[in-house]
Amino acid sequence: QKEVEQNSGPLSVPEGAIASLNCTYSDRGSQSFFWYRQYSGKSPELIMFIYSNGDKEDGRFTAQLNKASQYVSLLIRDSQPSDSATYLCAVTLGSATNKLIFGTGTLLAVQP
Amino acid sequence: NAGVTQTPKFQVLKTGQSMTLQCAQDMNHNSMYWYRQDPGMGLRLIYYSASEGTTDKGEVPNGYNVSRLNKREFSLRLESAAPSQTSVYFCASSEAGANYGYTFGSGTRLTVV
Repeated sequence: QKEVEQNSGPLSVPEGAIASLNCTYSDRGSQSFFWYRQYSGKSPELIMFIYSNGDKEDGRFTAQLNKASQYVSLLIRDSQPSDSATYLCAVTLGSATNKLIFGTGTLLAVQP
Repeated sequence: NAGVTQTPKFQVLKTGQSMTLQCAQDMNHNSMYWYRQDPGMGLRLIYYSASEGTTDKGEVPNGYNVSRLNKREFSLRLESAAPSQTSVYFCASSEAGANYGYTFGSGTRLTVV
């Protein structure tokens, strides 16, 4: 079992819709959870982080964490073509808070 | 603000050649990391330095060495390049460990022929 799992996609949504991206992780002791956006040929860019169960909102982005289910999600409201990118989920594993483990990413395509 | 600067951006090596990838950050971060990114494999940690003077192996350290030259600089060396090391290499830094996330450099695209 991979430590951080994501559906590779592509996830295709129409412009203006809500995009829902999901991630599961293997270690119940994980403490910190991150979402990065990576445009083709570019480096990853941090867009959200969450530490506690529940929802965290920042503009059009909402991160959701459910530690009991070992599940993290990212919702993008009013999706725009400029949101088309690969979204990487990253997790600190257990007590090893000095490094991140990344999922393979989900490719999001927002159709105009 | 330059953030995290990597050099070179592109490199082609012949099998058996050596090279050093350079990384420098100007954010006064304590922790620095080297990852490689391959299609279908995601980002995999090669080496990291939690603080100046320390380095530790990550998930895929074989064939690589690192040097934390000072607080700003963290270099990655390939002593004898192999085609399996063809990849995109990213350097990253964080304030203290990973709990605040990373800032990534722009990457080095390395091809070994």
